[in-house]
Amino acid sequence: GEDVEQSLFLSVREGDSSVINCTYTDSSSTYLYWYKQEPGAGLQLLTYIFSNMDMKQDQRLTVLLNKKDKHLSLRIADTQTGDSAIYFCAESIDRGSTLGRLYFGRGTQLTVWP
Amino acid sequence: GAGVSQSPSNKVTEKGKDVELRCDPISGHTALYWYRQSLGQGLEFLIYFQGNSAPDKSGLPSDRFSAERTGGSVSTLTIQRTQQEDSAVYLCASRGSQETQYFGPGTRLLVL
Repeated sequence: GEDVEQSLFLSVREGDSSVINCTYTDSSSTYLYWYKQEPGAGLQLLTYIFSNMDMKQDQRLTVLLNKKDKHLSLRIADTQTGDSAIYFCAESIDRGSTLGRLYFGRGTQLTVWP
Repeated sequence: GAGVSQSPSNKVTEKGKDVELRCDPISGHTALYWYRQSLGQGLEFLIYFQGNSAPDKSGLPSDRFSAERTGGSVSTLTIQRTQQEDSAVYLCASRGSQETQYFGPGTRLLVL
């Protein structure tokens, strides 16, 4: 199947690191993504990782992928109040002629306290 | 334009009416996707267009839903005889040669 699971809530203090975790079930995923959604807005692509990589760093963001355990995490360093949002994990699966279909988790609501 | 645009941003309609939602993808992007975001179901795939190929409609929830993409660019999602359970945010995304899907701001549909 293509189940993607995330914890629903995470609260951190401003300046701390945040770690949002995600597990997925389909080993044929090609890419894994993190999207951010602020209230009333669409999905903003934060970062993505190819399925044969195990780590990607982009400024304050670090993505770790454990393909054996099908576990993906997003670490946000020096979390700011502006990082408060819902974060979605998604896996991209190619099936037949349909390429890049995304399967999403339910989203993790990150709340950053000043 | 610089990103994916969608219109209208909000739509309120009465049960039984038809609605049309529009998506303008990023120029040059050949792949276009529609997703739906609702409280009960999270984010669900609806339909996929790639160039001139036949679309993948496997995610459409009923035959009241249809979509087309004209000239390989603009797409319209049509919902006929709307029902209250159709209330959701309808998101469009496009993808070019890179493995990244960029989303529009969505259309918030409320069926009364």
